Amino acid sequence: QVQLQESGPGLVKPSQTLSLTCTVSGGSISIGGYYWNWIRQHPGKGLEWIGYIYYGGSTYYNPSLKSRVIISLDKSQNQFSLNLSSVTAADTAVYYCARDRYDSSGRRFDYWGQGTLVTVSS
Amino acid sequence: SYELTQPPSVSVSPGQTASITCSGDQLGDKYACWYQQKPGQSPVLVIYQDYKRPSGIPERFSGSNSGNTATLTISGTQAMDEADYYCQAWDSSTSVIFGGGTKLTVL
Repeated sequence: QVQLQESGPGLVKPSQTLSLTCTVSGGSISIGGYYWNWIRQHPGKGLEWIGYIYYGGSTYYNPSLKSRVIISLDKSQNQFSLNLSSVTAADTAVYYCARDRYDSSGRRFDYWGQGTLVTVSS
Repeated sequence: SYELTQPPSVSVSPGQTASITCSGDQLGDKYACWYQQKPGQSPVLVIYQDYKRPSGIPERFSGSNSGNTATLTISGTQAMDEADYYCQAWDSSTSVIFGGGTKLTVL
């Protein structure tokens, strides 16, 4: 059974960089057929896609966040990470990591982490 | 930028059929997914590629997608189906779009 687990600081100061890691167990991030995503949800609001990384290292970001986002892979640890720079209170949200699987059956987000709340405050 | 529009709320009586729509320009030319999210929990995939159900999802969940509208249908709605539902698609192969979400109330 694949599991994703987010980790990182729950509190970040304004203007600093938010850094989160997603640890994947039960499956490898080093094989094709999957995109590894970060998605966030502002309190009481809907889902917002942040971006994803493919096992080969290609990245794709939400245009609205692109200038501040970096997603990276650590294959040795079976992890991928999110860095969001110059944060403000508007970046306060629950951050999810999720697996986007594509195969002959289609494409879908089939596994999600439990989510981690990150608050931006001084 | 591409947008997906959902009604903010839908109400249904237990045992009845609930339909939740998701609208977007030529959405029928893309594949749509649906996710269920209960309070304090992560989203769960209930429909993908317009109509396919993952293993473990009850048969009362079904989906369709044509023209500008994708629809999630829940037949014989149960109290446990009360949740927020999000549609999702890919704008080109590289950009992920979510709808704003629909709160389903079973009353």
